Amino acid sequence: VQLVESGGGFIQPGGSLRLSCIGSGFSMGSYWMHWVRQIPGKGPVWVSRIKRDGLDLSYADSVKGRFTISRDNAKNTLFLEMDSLRPDDTAVYYCARARPVVNAIDYWYYDLWGRGTLVTVSS
Amino acid sequence: DIVMTQSPLSLPVAPGEPAAISCRSSQSLLHSSGYNYLDWYLQRPGQSPQLLIYLASNRASGVPDRFSGSGSGTDFTLEISRVEAEDVGVYYCMEALQTARTFGQGTKLEI
Repeated sequence: VQLVESGGGFIQPGGSLRLSCIGSGFSMGSYWMHWVRQIPGKGPVWVSRIKRDGLDLSYADSVKGRFTISRDNAKNTLFLEMDSLRPDDTAVYYCARARPVVNAIDYWYYDLWGRGTLVTVSS
Repeated sequence: DIVMTQSPLSLPVAPGEPAAISCRSSQSLLHSSGYNYLDWYLQRPGQSPQLLIYLASNRASGVPDRFSGSGSGTDFTLEISRVEAEDVGVYYCMEALQTARTFGQGTKLEI
């Protein structure tokens, strides 16, 4: 059971990147999935989430209107399309699986994380 | 937004000794469901975060029983009864009340 991110790299400000996260050993379609980013040496920061069927999306204010989360359950893959990239988007981007807990309303914890992919935005 | 504040930020501990990390939230994390929406994660060097404790006091699967979580409302504690070498890393508390989860600054545990 694992998640593997890819698609990171070095990009100039204003550019675009598409991150992918492939799940194996489980059916990704059974879970809400999230993107979390982390500047090296800092705490993680939530970026976005997507419902199991792809019809409920949420974004952090800092990326709203620039990033788009999507998924292809048939390919067990999660995506993050990042446009208009800024230097402060530089971070390691993790995909994470959200597991709910019975009787805990609107609660989930992250029980599986990928190893992350580094995005560097710089001129 | 909820602000999470951890202390200490650096924690040197000798092997076999106990350790405790404090986490304070800017607003109560006690949900109407009766649970405190507070989790603890450990990020070992070069690795992604891993869940230790969920809903303030529940150990995640596979987590040794030397780890325990306590607290309610705005004040929470992660305790390690006897620190081992493999416990080195950065510990984060995370509020789970908001969709946009917020993490503490992290506490770096060193042997």
